[in-house]
Amino acid sequence: GAGVSQTPSNKVTEKGKYVELRCDPISGHTALYWYRQSLGQGPEFLIYFQGTGAADDSGLPNDRFFAVRPEGSVSTLKIQRTERGDSAVYLCASSRDMNTEAFFGQGTRLTVV
Amino acid sequence: GDSVTQMEGPVTLSEEAFLTINCTYTATGYPSLFWYVQYPGEGLQLLLKATKADDKGSNKGFEATYRKETTSFHLEKGSVQVSDSAVYFCALSVEGSEKLVFGKGTKLTVNP
Repeated sequence: GAGVSQTPSNKVTEKGKYVELRCDPISGHTALYWYRQSLGQGPEFLIYFQGTGAADDSGLPNDRFFAVRPEGSVSTLKIQRTERGDSAVYLCASSRDMNTEAFFGQGTRLTVV
Repeated sequence: GDSVTQMEGPVTLSEEAFLTINCTYTATGYPSLFWYVQYPGEGLQLLLKATKADDKGSNKGFEATYRKETTSFHLEKGSVQVSDSAVYFCALSVEGSEKLVFGKGTKLTVNP
C-alpha cells in the first residue's frame, strides 16, 4: 500500500509569509509525528499526535508553529510569519499505534527567502 | 537531556570492506535504541533496533549491540556493498515517550 505522503515536496516562500505543509499518513495509523531536519543535522522532534489530539507538542520551537489533525488522519503543520531560520526539511512519520515502528515520508523542503 | 552522538562522516569505503559507525548516547531513562537509514531520494527507514541491554539488532547484514555499560550502540557490517551507500542515523526513545532523538547522521559511500 501507499506510504506516508507529504505535500508539497518543495516550498519556497518569502520571509513573513504563512505556509502549510500536509502529511497523509499510512491508512489506519493512529500515531503521527512531525520532525524538522536542518542541513547537516539529524531530525528534531516537533509534535506527536495520537488520534486527533496532540499528545506531545514539546518540540514546537515557538508559537509561530502549529499543527492539527482534525479527523485523526491527515495532518497539517502551519508556520506563521516565516523566518529564514525556518528553512529545513520537514518530515512526517506515522505508526500503527504507540511503541510500533514509525514510517517516514520523504519530507517537504521549505526554503524561506 | 537525552542525546545521541555519532561518528562524524563522511565515510568512504571500498566494496567488501568492514564497516563500523560509532554511536553513544545519554538518556534520562531506559532507552530503546535504533539505527535508521536514508537512501538517496528516499525517506528514513528503520534498519534495526534493540530495546534492552545486551540485545543485538540485525538486518540486511548490519548488526548493533546495546551496551549499557558503555552507553553505546555501534553499527557494524562485515562486507559492505555499493547499495549500502546512504546516510545512517542513530536514535533513541526513552520509555514513556514516543519521540525519537536522533544523532546528526553519517554519510556512507561505498565504491566498487
